[in-house]
Amino acid sequence: GPKVLQIPSHQIIDMGQMVTLNCDPVSNHLYFYWYKQILGQQMEFLVNFYNGKVMEKSKLFKDQFSVERPDGSYFTLKIQPTALEDSAVYFCASSSGQSQNTLYFGAGTRLSVL
Amino acid sequence: QQKVQQSPESLTVSEGAMASLNCTFSDRSSDNFRWYRQHSGKGLEVLVSIFSDGEKEEGSFTAHLNRASLHVFLHIREPQPSDSALYLCAGGNTGGLSGKLTFGEGTQVTVIS
Repeated sequence: GPKVLQIPSHQIIDMGQMVTLNCDPVSNHLYFYWYKQILGQQMEFLVNFYNGKVMEKSKLFKDQFSVERPDGSYFTLKIQPTALEDSAVYFCASSSGQSQNTLYFGAGTRLSVL
Repeated sequence: QQKVQQSPESLTVSEGAMASLNCTFSDRSSDNFRWYRQHSGKGLEVLVSIFSDGEKEEGSFTAHLNRASLHVFLHIREPQPSDSALYLCAGGNTGGLSGKLTFGEGTQVTVIS
């Protein structure tokens, strides 16, 4: 099936540093998502991005978080500055439409903030 | 905010025996439902999407939706060891702006030979 690639698979950084997580979505998809999964808990929606704008974000999407997809390249999640509680696996997803369209997920980036 | 409960937390089945997983939603805000699975270290693989009451079959996977009872079931016919994975159910809202999904915590399925 369609593949979403996430780079890197694991990132370790010191608290307070900036981190950028990269996602290469399915090529003809228009909607992009980030989800966060803390160890042992369910995946939770962070943000949805379409046509260069954030459409919806959850309360987990703190002010330190930002997303962009400059010129159709990687869809990125930037956290600046990072905090210990940002340690989690971050999953990127994309879809061709909203609502009933299937979301395709990447394998996740494990972020460890020390 | 909607809650999604999956049961059991883990399930061990013999190769070829039917496996049944359950997903319960806390309210009716979701109107489309999906089952995904995740092999260790891999991305989520969509198995079945279901939008109306009744059954939907995709290969060896059958989803059964009962909106009145807020349940979505997944049956795996003749599972193989390669079907060992974390199975996740998720609900979405067609009327929502973003197409976001609400996930359960998953059922860890182990298929033994």
